[in-house]
Amino acid sequence: AQSVTQPDIHITVSEGASLELRCNYSYGATPYLFWYVQSPGQGLQLLLKYFSGDTLVQGIKGFEAEFKRSQSSFNLRKPSVHWSDAAEYFCAVGAPGAGGTSYGKLTFGQGTILTVHP
Amino acid sequence: SAVISQKPSRDICQRGTSLTIQCQVDSQVTMMFWYRQQPGQSLTLIATANQGSEATYESGFVIDKFPISRPNLTFSTLTVSNMSPEDSSIYLCSGSSGRLDTQYFGPGTRLTVL
Repeated sequence: AQSVTQPDIHITVSEGASLELRCNYSYGATPYLFWYVQSPGQGLQLLLKYFSGDTLVQGIKGFEAEFKRSQSSFNLRKPSVHWSDAAEYFCAVGAPGAGGTSYGKLTFGQGTILTVHP
Repeated sequence: SAVISQKPSRDICQRGTSLTIQCQVDSQVTMMFWYRQQPGQSLTLIATANQGSEATYESGFVIDKFPISRPNLTFSTLTVSNMSPEDSSIYLCSGSSGRLDTQYFGPGTRLTVL
C-alpha cells in the first residue's frame, strides 16, 4: 500500500526567505507525485506534479519540487516566499488505475501548515 | 483542466438526518472520487464513483452510510446518512481524465452535525 509522510506539521518563515517542505513516500513502483495547496476555506489547488522524466519539476506560483528515488522524497521548494503563500500544503502519491488506462486514487500526507511572517 | 463545483458549500444538520452533496464537472472525466477531510486532518478517500454502477469503497467506508451515485460522466452525488457529530467534516469531490492525468478538486462542502 502507498503512504506519504510530511514530517513537518507547521513551518514558519519570514517573507522573502526560502522554503523547503519535506515529503517522503512509500510505493512499490514508480510513483506519481503531487503537491497541492489549500488556502483557508478553499479547495485544493494543484501546484505541480511528477509522472516521469526530469526529476526537477516546475509548478505554479514559483514552486518547484525534486523527485529523488534513492531517498523516496519529493520535497517542495520556493526561493522567496510571499505572504500570500501562507496556506496548508499537501503531498500526495498516486497509482495507475485498473488496467493502467486511467489515473487512480491519491493518498495524501498529513499536510504542512505554512505561516509567513512579514 | 477540469472545473469542479459542489453544492451545498456548507450546511448545518441535525443528527439522524441525511445530506446529499452534489458534484458537477464542466467536462467529461473518466474517474470521480469522494474524499473526507476531518477537522485538522488530511484527506481520506471514501470511494471511487463509477458511472452507471456501484461505487468502489475504501476500507472503513460502507455504502449504507455513504451512498454514491454517478449517472453520467460529469455528475455525482454523495449522501451522508444518519448523521452524527463525528461526520462533521469537509467533503470534497475530484475528477480526472485519461491516462496520466491530474485530479482536480472541487471547493468542498463543509458539514457540521449538531
